[in-house]
Amino acid sequence: EPEVTQTPSHQVTQMGQEVILRCVPISNHLYFYWYRQILGQKVEFLVSFYNNEISEKSEIFDDQFSVERPDGSNFTLKIRSTKLEDSAMYFCASSADGNQPQHFGDGTRLSIL
Amino acid sequence: GEDVEQSLFLSVREGDSSVINCTYTDSSSTYLYWYKQEPGAGLQLLTYIFSNMDMKQDQRLTVLLNKKDKHLSLRIADTQTGDSAIYFCAESLYTGTASKLTFGTGTRLQVTL
Repeated sequence: EPEVTQTPSHQVTQMGQEVILRCVPISNHLYFYWYRQILGQKVEFLVSFYNNEISEKSEIFDDQFSVERPDGSNFTLKIRSTKLEDSAMYFCASSADGNQPQHFGDGTRLSIL
Repeated sequence: GEDVEQSLFLSVREGDSSVINCTYTDSSSTYLYWYKQEPGAGLQLLTYIFSNMDMKQDQRLTVLLNKKDKHLSLRIADTQTGDSAIYFCAESLYTGTASKLTFGTGTRLQVTL
């Protein structure tokens, strides 16, 4: 069964450094998403992306965050200058259509020191 | 704003049925989802129900939706030790371009022998 893959599984970064989290969505899916889960808290929506532009973003997704689809397969989340509070599990998801079920990857655990 | 609530913990004996409950606030939800998260793993889509349905059955899983009370439940028949995991309820709001999922806190299901 096709799946969403995320790399790396665990990223450790010094505060203030830039980090890029990578995702390969399911190949025939057109809509892409990022969510995050701070330890002990709910999974929170960050951003949705379609047709090479952001469809919607949450209040969390400020100027420090950006997303990109650099080629036909990858979807990335960049955090420009990481803060301690960015430590979380980041999940990528994709869906075939904007109103179809979202399929999630296994997540990247981001630890900011 | 959207809010989804679940109880935090449920313990059942192997072979019994489990019922995990969820309440949500936004009546314009299009789909409601159940995701399963095993330790160290991502969010696995278990099942989902369209908001104009009141029941969906999929093998051992039964989803009941009471739209009037904004109440969703997941029943797992003949619960097995492999069902031990965290179960997340999520509501989907379609903004016209893409959907945004709002998750509950997750219910930890413990299956005892």
